[in-house]
Amino acid sequence: DTAVSQTPKYLVTQMGNDKSIKCEQNLGHDTMYWYKQDSKKFLKIMFSYNNKELIINETVPNRFSPKSPDKAHLNLHINSLELGDSAVYFCASSQGTGGALRGYTFGSGTRLTVV
Amino acid sequence: DAKTTQPPSMDCAEGRAANLPCNHSTISGNEYVYWYRQIHSQGPQYIIHGLKNNETNEMASLIITEDRKSSTLILPHATLRDTAVYYCIVRGGAQKLVFGQGTRLTINP
Repeated sequence: DTAVSQTPKYLVTQMGNDKSIKCEQNLGHDTMYWYKQDSKKFLKIMFSYNNKELIINETVPNRFSPKSPDKAHLNLHINSLELGDSAVYFCASSQGTGGALRGYTFGSGTRLTVV
Repeated sequence: DAKTTQPPSMDCAEGRAANLPCNHSTISGNEYVYWYRQIHSQGPQYIIHGLKNNETNEMASLIITEDRKSSTLILPHATLRDTAVYYCIVRGGAQKLVFGQGTRLTINP
């Protein structure tokens, strides 16, 4: 019944590896987001997709590639992982890009640790 | 990017009302005030939002000053489960949701 679900919840991997994080929402929303929360607890938006189209790309390295196969899914693929990529990654969704007055719904996060 | 100023931390006794202030002196006419919170290790949770009028829902009340330059989130009867980081965010139109540092609220027994 989880509204926004992310997998995996924890991910430990070595530098240089490629990994993916998956996100699915069952709220019928048309817009999805990826946020990164670093060790200092700052939450920063990375990407946003509306109806499978990229609408926000916040100067994220090219090693990060989001993919949205449909409105309900937004996956995040990371190539050549670096130590600095260690963070908690949150997926979120909303209805519409402009209004979204009811707010965003966030997933429970994926804690990525690069060793 | 954040357009708001909040105290870094606050304490409140369990059962009391927790009043969390937020300054947003540069708010534009079409921008809403949103409040989210993040309980440890969880994703941010929407609490409430408002434009001009005071708002109340099952979680909290939002009081916005007449000039809209500041607001206060009120948790009427704080419980230990309300311990979290509370974010005040100003956002309008198609703007992205930008989180500042927030206020770390600790509810003490």
